[in-house]
Order: sequence, then C-alpha cells, then structure tokens
Amino acid sequence: EAGVAQSPRYKIIEKRQSVAFWCNPISGHATLYWYQQILGQGPKLLIQFQNNGVVDDSQLPKDRFSAERLKGVDSTLKIQPAKLEDSAVYLCASSLAVGGTFYSYEQYFGPGTRLTVT
Amino acid sequence: QKEVEQDPGPLSVPEGAIVSLNCTYSNSAFQYFMWYRQYSRKGPELLMYTYSSGNKEDGRFTAQVDKSSKYISLFIRDSQPSDSATYLCAMSADFGNEKLTFGTGTRLTIIP
Repeated sequence: EAGVAQSPRYKIIEKRQSVAFWCNPISGHATLYWYQQILGQGPKLLIQFQNNGVVDDSQLPKDRFSAERLKGVDSTLKIQPAKLEDSAVYLCASSLAVGGTFYSYEQYFGPGTRLTVT
Repeated sequence: QKEVEQDPGPLSVPEGAIVSLNCTYSNSAFQYFMWYRQYSRKGPELLMYTYSSGNKEDGRFTAQVDKSSKYISLFIRDSQPSDSATYLCAMSADFGNEKLTFGTGTRLTIIP
C-alpha cells in the first residue's frame, strides 16, 4: 500500500512570496489533515478535511493560509504572503475514519515539506 | 501552561539500556494517549496507544497512563540503535485519534 505522498520535499522562499504544497493521501482515506511542525516542537493541526468538507480549521491563520481538497482526494495548502515565522515542516496525514475501531482512525503521515522563509 | 509537556531531551543512552520517556498534561478530557516515533526527515508513525488509565505492552515497548496524576510514560527495554528517533506523545479527547494534541517530542539516541 502506497503511503501519503507530499511535494515538494523542500522549499526556500523569501518573505512575502507565496508557496503551495501538495498532498496525495492513501487511497480510500476519507480524512485528511495538514499540520505545521516548527523545529523543536510537536505537530500542530492547521486544518482537517472529511472528504472535501472542512471539519476543523480553527488554528489556520486564514489571513495568509488557505487549503482545499478538491474531489475529496488530493489537497493543496497555500501560504500567501509568507512570513519568517512560517518556516517549518508541513505534514500531511490521512486516516480511513470509517468503522468502530481505534485503528480505523489511525493517522498516517507523509514525509513533510520543509519550508524555509528567508 | 501548555496542554501537553514533554522533556525535549536530547537523551543519549547505551545500547541495551531501559529508556523512560514521559509526558504530563493538564486537560482532564484526554482519554486516548499515543506515542509516535519520528525518524529524521520522516513523518511521525504511531507506535502505541492506550485508552484511559493502565498499562499496555508490545514487544520491547510498554506504555503507562496514570490519569489521576495526568502523567504518561513509554518504556523501551533492551534499547537498540534503530530506536534512535524523536518520540512524540499525543493525546485526544475524542474517539479514535482525531484532534491530536502533541508534546514537543524527546530526541533519543541509542549509542552502540
């Protein structure tokens, strides 16, 4: 079974530029998450999709961050304009989210996109 | 005060040693307690989970939860160099493991 795919793996941009990240979840997984992991910290949830609808975006800085999940499969996360404090690894995760067992909701993470804003 | 506190380490131990990793938390609504392992430049992967208080063992790994003290632990027996990674505790109040709150992670190095 293929895992969660993310691209690009690395990105360096200057502040005030825009950037977009792409995520392809595990086939059949209904729920998709975007996390921000700043160096030395644990992942922080930015947004959660259930199919193509938003479940939770309470921690997404909506003045500069946007995300979409068209057709309930792939997702893109965009930052415009970027700030220095946006330097982090952006992780995408997906889960099956169907059924009554704990492991039905296990989140599988991609390798992340490491963003450096200079 | 952060909802989940975890000693960031780094922690270095010799191969074969017993490793103890810990987290404390403040939100009494948390019911699901997880440990993730994150290798360098990889995403986290679920290692173990425990529901409510108690112990759970899986091979060389034991997870303990003490809800009365709001304290969770992960023990690694007979540690191996391949265990070298960052270990993140995570918690959730909801069924399954949605809406996770992560600790900062402890960076562990096992010295051969």
